[in-house]
Amino acid sequence: EVQLVESGGGLVQPGGSLRLSCAASGFTFSDHYMDWVRQAPGKGLEWVGRTRNKANSHTTEYAASVKGRFIISRDDSKNSLYLQMNSLKTEDTAVYYCARVARGTHYYFDYWGQGTLVTVSS
Amino acid sequence: DIQMTQSPSSLSASVGDRVTITCRASQGISSWLAWYQQKPEKAPKSLIYAASSLQSGVPSRFSGSGSGTDFTLTISSLQPEDFATYYCQQYDSYPLTFGGGTKVEIK
Repeated sequence: EVQLVESGGGLVQPGGSLRLSCAASGFTFSDHYMDWVRQAPGKGLEWVGRTRNKANSHTTEYAASVKGRFIISRDDSKNSLYLQMNSLKTEDTAVYYCARVARGTHYYFDYWGQGTLVTVSS
Repeated sequence: DIQMTQSPSSLSASVGDRVTITCRASQGISSWLAWYQQKPEKAPKSLIYAASSLQSGVPSRFSGSGSGTDFTLTISSLQPEDFATYYCQQYDSYPLTFGGGTKVEIK
């Protein structure tokens, strides 16, 4: 059974940093692209960024709103995905989901974690 | 960036009703489109990919259609567990973008 479990959320002051983790199980983690998607309170879904699989050198993509502040990384030996968030702003307040990208031709999100809440406030 | 526009933003329907949600892309995305269902306080769940392919385990009352810029999600006979918010998402190009969501409520 595919499982994605996020952790690391919490309250942080503007300008601060936080690192989120996503522990994966039930599938060959190294084969898949992995993404972060966030959802501000009462709002819709916003894509944050992606890390590709080992075969694609773990290259990354980011949304413009987080580029230069957030870093996505992964440790395939630990089946873990990470989101390092720096220079946090109040508008980064959201539930952060890790999502597995399906293999094959269509790179949609086939599994999602339960999410972890990040609150940026003074 | 490709803008995804969903309509309506909300709708009220009864159990057994046929429900159709529309998603329009600001430029052509072929069939690189997915649909997700999200219930309150829960993570999104995959329903449809490639515009019309049903995710494994999803009931056949859900269907998707369209290509290019215009897409639809149809629920053929609404069930109590289908009351939720639905999102479309394009994966044609970066940045990946979602529609604003359609909330399906009980009439």
